Amino acid sequence: DAGVIQSPRHEVTEMGQEVTLRCKPISGHNSLFWYRQTMMRGLELLIYFNNNVPIDDSGMPEDRFSAKMPNASFSTLKIQPSEPRDSAVYFCASSIQGLAGGRQFFGPGTRLTVL
Amino acid sequence: EDQVTQSPEALRLQEGESSSLNCSYTVSGLRGLFWYRQDPGKGPEFLFTLYSAGEEKEKERLKATLTKKESFLHITAPKPEDSATYLCAVQLSIDYKLSFGAGTTVTVRA
Repeated sequence: DAGVIQSPRHEVTEMGQEVTLRCKPISGHNSLFWYRQTMMRGLELLIYFNNNVPIDDSGMPEDRFSAKMPNASFSTLKIQPSEPRDSAVYFCASSIQGLAGGRQFFGPGTRLTVL
Repeated sequence: EDQVTQSPEALRLQEGESSSLNCSYTVSGLRGLFWYRQDPGKGPEFLFTLYSAGEEKEKERLKATLTKKESFLHITAPKPEDSATYLCAVQLSIDYKLSFGAGTTVTVRA
């Protein structure tokens, strides 16, 4: 299996621009998680989906952030407009809910820099 | 408020010098406690899940233990390739979210 796939791996953009991060979960996994990692705040959950339905978006920082999962094999995290404080590494993870204690498999991350 | 605290923040070891990392938690209704390893520029990689107090799991030079209030990750006779950041996370019985601690960065010198 290819594991969780994220694109792009690096994104540099200017403040005010729209940014879209993409994730392909492991085939057969029914839960998908978006995390953000910074030195100051560590690894924090933004939103998670189960069977393509958003279950908990309490970690989404503000309305500038939105996430979708149109099907079982694809999810996007969009930031519009982007701000310098959004600079971080964004990880996507997937799991089989209810199996193996919900062990999550992480992708390689997208490093976002907002100038 | 649920909380996960890891200590120390950083640990520098000589090759072969065994040590332990601590993860203390204050949560209601623990489903499981997870340990992950993260190398620079990569996503976290799963190591262990512990479900109940008294449980222990081992993998090569790593051994994880769990009590009702904390978990330890013991590194026995570490090698330079064990250098990484080790993250612990708790999962509550009400859902499948993971709440992570800040991590312990381990550096093993040859």
